[in-house]
Amino acid sequence: DAMVIQNPRYQVTQFGKPVTLSCSQTLNHNVMYWYQQKSSQAPKLLFHYYDKDFNNEADTPDNFQSRRPNTSFCFLDIRSPGLGDAAMYLCATSRVTGEYNEQFFGPGTRLTVL
Amino acid sequence: GQNIDQPTEMTATEGAIVQINCTYQTSGFNGLFWYQQHAGEAPTFLSYNVLDGLEEKGRFSSFLSRSKGYSYLLLKELQMKDSASYLCAPMDSNYQLIWGAGTKLIIKP
Repeated sequence: DAMVIQNPRYQVTQFGKPVTLSCSQTLNHNVMYWYQQKSSQAPKLLFHYYDKDFNNEADTPDNFQSRRPNTSFCFLDIRSPGLGDAAMYLCATSRVTGEYNEQFFGPGTRLTVL
Repeated sequence: GQNIDQPTEMTATEGAIVQINCTYQTSGFNGLFWYQQHAGEAPTFLSYNVLDGLEEKGRFSSFLSRSKGYSYLLLKELQMKDSASYLCAPMDSNYQLIWGAGTKLIIKP
């Protein structure tokens, strides 16, 4: 089945220790998104890629970076995680940016910062 | 600015009907999505409206009024598994989804 896969599902890191979250997709979608979602809050868009064209949201902290080496994979790097970065990180894909833009989500990675 | 307003929490009884309202203000409009999100899981697509009116899909229906900046999600014959958060997400002029914080729906037996 075509899908969006995120690894790991649960990640524990220490304050200030870099961490990388990964996402892969078998949908062959052009667009990939990274969202941060805290409990009972709306998903917050961090980045999105249209193919390799990178788009950084204006209020995404510099502590967050992203890489998309090919169509299938996308990574979220948190350089120095703080306690406030504990959240669910959601990867999503869509076929195009314009027109009908249903986003397909992976299961998410729950990040705990100790 | 862009703003989504939906109730924080609603409670309903198994077998009943519930309507979750959403009002929005966005820079441009290119349709509106409803997603379901169970606790600790990712959002899953429920419906999409771009024209005014009602879209029906099984037990779930979604309504849109563009002139009023208003949508609702109607859930019929509620089941315990419908306990989840329901997120309203209009798409702005840049085709970006603007996410609401969601309405937590609690179903009681």
